[in-house]
Amino acid sequence: AQSVTQLGSHVSVSEGALVLLRCNYSSSVPPYLFWYVQYPNQGLQLLLKYTSAATLVKGINGFEAEFKKSETSFHLTKPSAHMSDAAEYFCAVSVLFGAGNKLTFGGGTRVLVKP
Amino acid sequence: ETGVTQSPTHLIKTRGQQVTLRCSSQSGHNTVSWYQQALGQGPQFIFQYYREEENGRGNFPPRFSGLQFPNYSSELNVNALELDDSALYLCASSLAAQGSPLHFGNGTRLTVT
Repeated sequence: AQSVTQLGSHVSVSEGALVLLRCNYSSSVPPYLFWYVQYPNQGLQLLLKYTSAATLVKGINGFEAEFKKSETSFHLTKPSAHMSDAAEYFCAVSVLFGAGNKLTFGGGTRVLVKP
Repeated sequence: ETGVTQSPTHLIKTRGQQVTLRCSSQSGHNTVSWYQQALGQGPQFIFQYYREEENGRGNFPPRFSGLQFPNYSSELNVNALELDDSALYLCASSLAAQGSPLHFGNGTRLTVT
């Protein structure tokens, strides 16, 4: 069975500071990993995905994530936080499930950006 | 390219009633999944449809059921509503390919009183 753990349900950063969101996963097979962002009263928007092509993955809005198999981690970073980055972020692991993919999500990390 | 759309955006029902939520998949996608997101939690997988048949189910009782239509639109039906069914219900569409990302709609906020 797959599972995802996100360390820290809330993170507060100053505008311009580094954003670091932690994600650890467990999977019995090589995983596909995703980060999604959810703004208030909206659905989930794909930030980036890891599909084994490269360990460092670049996504939208300046975010990137590094896959570390030895640490079973897929942490999300952004060098300089912007006020518009205030949202909830979800890490998810995907496995082939029937004809498609089933996502197992972490509990989410809410990011607050201080001016 | 049209994204995933869901209707209605908000819904209030009484315990014991039945509800139907609707979803239109993103153009070109042939698989649709439904997720339940309780307040303050990550989404939980309900079930997935492919070629108009249920293709897998999470840990949800049979009173949660669905349909997928030939145009890949979908419905989620919940019977005998309970207070704990209050949540954001998210529809997601994707291609039937390993690692294919899911594209989510904005969800339907269901409140059961």
